[in-house]
Amino acid sequence: GQNIDQPTEMTATEGAIVQINCTYQTSGFNGLFWYQQHAGEAPTFLSYNVLDGLEEKGRFSSFLSRSKGYSYLLLKELQMKDSASYLCAVRDWMDSSYKLIFGSGTRLLVRP
Amino acid sequence: ETGVTQTPRHLVMGMTNKKSLKCEQHLGHNAMYWYKQSAKKPLELMFVYSLEERVENNSVPSRFSPECPNSSHLFLHLHTLQPEDSALYLCASSQETSGGARNEQFFGPGTRLTVL
Repeated sequence: GQNIDQPTEMTATEGAIVQINCTYQTSGFNGLFWYQQHAGEAPTFLSYNVLDGLEEKGRFSSFLSRSKGYSYLLLKELQMKDSASYLCAVRDWMDSSYKLIFGSGTRLLVRP
Repeated sequence: ETGVTQTPRHLVMGMTNKKSLKCEQHLGHNAMYWYKQSAKKPLELMFVYSLEERVENNSVPSRFSPECPNSSHLFLHLHTLQPEDSALYLCASSQETSGGARNEQFFGPGTRLTVL
């Protein structure tokens, strides 16, 4: 079956760096996504990894190791507006189609 | 309107009511999705429509009935719901292609449903 684990909550200080980890077990891996979701709002796409390595996009970077079933999202120079839930999602090939399987999300609180 | 829109944003209904949630995507995508998001639980995929054909029905109770009249519109018809069905219902769309393309999903703002 599929299983995606990420920490429930994290706290960090404005201006600091935080790393949110995600581990997964899937049968037909076809890419990993990170989404940001502010309270009461829609999830918005942050990053995508399908090959091993680091993808950098401004203050946000995402890393993938397929052999370890592991990814992390790195947020630099934290701002108060980065307080949100961060959802790890894996695209899995199941039953002749792609499915996006989500973790429970990591709620990040950025303190002044 | 741009992106993915959903109406209504909030809905309170009794267990004997019939209501419908509406989703519209303005992105020219060929796939649309319904998800359920309950507190402290992962997003749960309910239904997938690709090219207006339902390709996924994730063991969802029959009191939820989807409809996709065209590639831009998706409905979720609700009847005789239970209080445990109270949740945020999210619609999403994507452009599905073969191979390893990114094909990220774009989400609507959701409908906050409360069943009394």
